[in-house]
Amino acid sequence: GAGVSQSPSNKVTEKGKDVELRCDPISGHTALYWYRQRLGQGLEFLIYFQGNSAPDKSGLPSDRFSAERTGESVSTLTIQRTQQEDSAVYLCASSLVMDDATNEKLFFGSGTQLSVL
Amino acid sequence: SQQGEEDPQALSIQEGENATMNCSYKTSINNLQWYRQNSGRGLVHLILIRSNEREKHSGRLRVTLDTSKKSSSLLITASRAADTASYFCATRSPGTYKYIFGTGTRLKVLA
Repeated sequence: GAGVSQSPSNKVTEKGKDVELRCDPISGHTALYWYRQRLGQGLEFLIYFQGNSAPDKSGLPSDRFSAERTGESVSTLTIQRTQQEDSAVYLCASSLVMDDATNEKLFFGSGTQLSVL
Repeated sequence: SQQGEEDPQALSIQEGENATMNCSYKTSINNLQWYRQNSGRGLVHLILIRSNEREKHSGRLRVTLDTSKKSSSLLITASRAADTASYFCATRSPGTYKYIFGTGTRLKVLA
């Protein structure tokens, strides 16, 4: 596709349920990022995938959060046993990694608004 | 927190005025980027400055970088109502592809 696609755009769930959020990156982009943004706040890094390297999971807030990526394509962020504090916009971004970082930039999807009731 | 800090948190100016926002970060960097966000959804890349650069221009945007102070500033000249948005800086450190974002500045340009 032309851009980063995220689905669903909105998700309302009950506390304790599991949710899956999907991200389709731009074709050919080797790096994929997940961020969380609470209302009125900045972006909180969750995880990134780069090619075949082990993902950097250092930002995942608890073991209820996990993410997978199939090759250099789709990624799924899973939140188990959702809590009200998980309510936020979850943003995905992809990039074409360049070692000298000259023209490297992140392309963002429109995000998934997650509401946990 | 890993996040960088931005100030001011919010800025309200009249159309035609210049807007300046600042970003401070904590570690050494490869590059620093500025992004814009409308309506709390996807961010759009504005400009990138490398660690060995001190100033960069793109249209009405001017970015400066002071690595000794670990800080950057974004200047938007001759602001327009359409510039109303949140602006974030993001840094990438050597040895990682991870980007850390600042807390953001909410800019409101009054027509």
